Amino acid sequence: GQQVKQSSPSLTVQEGGISILNCDYENDMFDYFAWYKKYPDNSPTLLISVRSNVDKREDGRLTVFLNKSGKHFSLHITASQPEDTAVYLCAAGAQGGSAKLIFGEGTKLTVSS
Amino acid sequence: GPKVLQIPSHQIIDMGQMVTLNCDPVSNHLYFYWYKQILGQQMEFLVNFYNGKVMEKSKLFKDQFSVERPDGSYFTLKIQPTALEDSAVYFCASSLSLADTQYFGPGTRLLVL
Repeated sequence: GQQVKQSSPSLTVQEGGISILNCDYENDMFDYFAWYKKYPDNSPTLLISVRSNVDKREDGRLTVFLNKSGKHFSLHITASQPEDTAVYLCAAGAQGGSAKLIFGEGTKLTVSS
Repeated sequence: GPKVLQIPSHQIIDMGQMVTLNCDPVSNHLYFYWYKQILGQQMEFLVNFYNGKVMEKSKLFKDQFSVERPDGSYFTLKIQPTALEDSAVYFCASSLSLADTQYFGPGTRLLVL
């Protein structure tokens, strides 16, 4: 089964707006939640991550919200810019184990100017 | 930030041949991973490796696959023999510990004909 799911394959946001990317998961054992940014032909790069003992983490324009009861986490990007255009991957893992990450399918964010 | 390199970036090979994918992880990292992404699908965990041993492997890690890191050199994924369904992008990652960020390389695009 698909343990981590990004239901929106694409999202378009106006420059200056808020981009909201969503991810749902199934496994109650997940305790690590991350968002990676992937440029075409480039490495997935960690943007921000959060552990299950917090429900929100901010870093500059980025905020991760974790809803454990709903098995859902999201990435909010404020003041979106054209250079934010990329594929965003959510990932989850159970760090107590082997640290393997389970990835979503990705959401292609386009910020239009 | 820390860089993971992968060599080659692209590889075309005939079915049944052997292929070795090379990963140059972040220099002080101790944990190493391979993920596989078939076109149009999400990245999936293959295997992780620590202290000369496989820690965990997924069902995608077939008997034809092997990993090693001889004497601190490249972390390699060998497929022998290759099959058509091995065509994918293979991403290498490394981390300092199981609880730390996984840093990914840009991937090797493998095409098996």
